[in-house]
Amino acid sequence: GQNIDQPTEMTATEGAIVQINCTYQTSGFNGLFWYQQHAGEAPTFLSYNVLDGLEEKGRFSSFLSRSKGYSYLLLKELQMKDSASYLCAVVGGYQKVTFGIGTKLQVIP
Amino acid sequence: EAQVTQNPRYLITVTGKKLTVTCSQNMNHEYMSWYRQDPGLGLRQIYYSMNVEVTDKGDVPEGYKVSRKEKRNFPLILESPSPNQTSLYFCASSKGPGNSYNSPLHFGNGTRLTVT
Repeated sequence: GQNIDQPTEMTATEGAIVQINCTYQTSGFNGLFWYQQHAGEAPTFLSYNVLDGLEEKGRFSSFLSRSKGYSYLLLKELQMKDSASYLCAVVGGYQKVTFGIGTKLQVIP
Repeated sequence: EAQVTQNPRYLITVTGKKLTVTCSQNMNHEYMSWYRQDPGLGLRQIYYSMNVEVTDKGDVPEGYKVSRKEKRNFPLILESPSPNQTSLYFCASSKGPGNSYNSPLHFGNGTRLTVT
């Protein structure tokens, strides 16, 4: 089976940096996605990692360590509009995609 | 505009009354999937389809049916809805799951279903 863990809630200050962690145990691994979901809206794609290391896209970066079953999403220069849930999703064996429960991030002034 | 279209956005129904939630994508994606999202449980996969006429069960398929007669459409059918199927449902599509950088899921806007 597949198990994904991420914190339920986090709070950070506008302009700061926040790191959202995701740990996983899967049978097989074919990549890890991060999605952003604002309240009441559909998830939208943020980043994808399949090899170890850091992927940077503007204010957002994502890191993967396959040997540790660990990923994080780094958000820099936080803005109020970054208040949302961040979903970690792992593609395991047989291309099965499993989502974590999501981390609700609140950005405060 | 590339999109996944779900209908309806909101639906209130009664126990046992068959319903269908439609999903259509205009991106020529092979892979389509249905999820339900419940507080504290995250997104859970109901059914998925790798291509036309190919469907498979996800993690929570009980009480649901799907069909994939055309590439663009993937309707979700509840033959006899029950209150425990009250949830927020999302349809999603992609070129294909796996290790391709260009294969993220594109989600529809969601259908909030209430079964009384």
